[in-house]
Amino acid sequence: AQSVTQPDIHITVSEGASLELRCNYSYGATPYLFWYVQSPGQGLQLLLKYFSGDTLVQGIKGFEAEFKRSQSSFNLRKPSVHWSDAAEYFCAVMNTGFQKLVFGTGTRLLVSP
Amino acid sequence: NAGVTQTPKFRILKIGQSMTLQCTQDMNHNYMYWYRQDPGMGLKLIYYSVGAGITDKGEVPNGYNVSRSTTEDFPLRLELAAPSQTSVYFCASSPTSGSENEQFFGPGTRLTVL
Repeated sequence: AQSVTQPDIHITVSEGASLELRCNYSYGATPYLFWYVQSPGQGLQLLLKYFSGDTLVQGIKGFEAEFKRSQSSFNLRKPSVHWSDAAEYFCAVMNTGFQKLVFGTGTRLLVSP
Repeated sequence: NAGVTQTPKFRILKIGQSMTLQCTQDMNHNYMYWYRQDPGMGLKLIYYSVGAGITDKGEVPNGYNVSRSTTEDFPLRLELAAPSQTSVYFCASSPTSGSENEQFFGPGTRLTVL
């Protein structure tokens, strides 16, 4: 069965500093991978997705993620964090047979001044 | 184009009461989903539908029922509310069965069962 691990429950980053959120997945075949962001009291918004091709994926709001098959990872990065990036971030994997998403438990990002 | 809308935004139920969470999408998507999100947890799939008249169980279906009579609407029914159903519920939709398609989420319904 598919699973997603986000090892960091909380991360605090200073505004302007770089960010990396970790995501590891377990899936037998080539996975479809996603990062979603959830602002307080809001629904989920898709940041980026990986299906195939270039392993470095660009998303919205200046985010990018890199798929590393050898490490079963799909880490999310941003070179310079803004205070508005404070939110909860979810990594998810989709099985190739159907559109069922399996989510990680999320990482809450706090941005300090 | 409103996307995915959910009503109500908040609700408090007493144990044993019933209610229906409404979900509507105006994007003509075939696939619709219900998730629940508990504190500190990711989203868990409750039920999903691949089109009008077709529904199936997800990971945590117990205590819930769904129906899909139209493409637009996918209501979630709680028949006998229990404290374990206190959660935030999200509805989502996606266009087709193609795996490249994104799921679009509604703003959520926060339900408390006392």
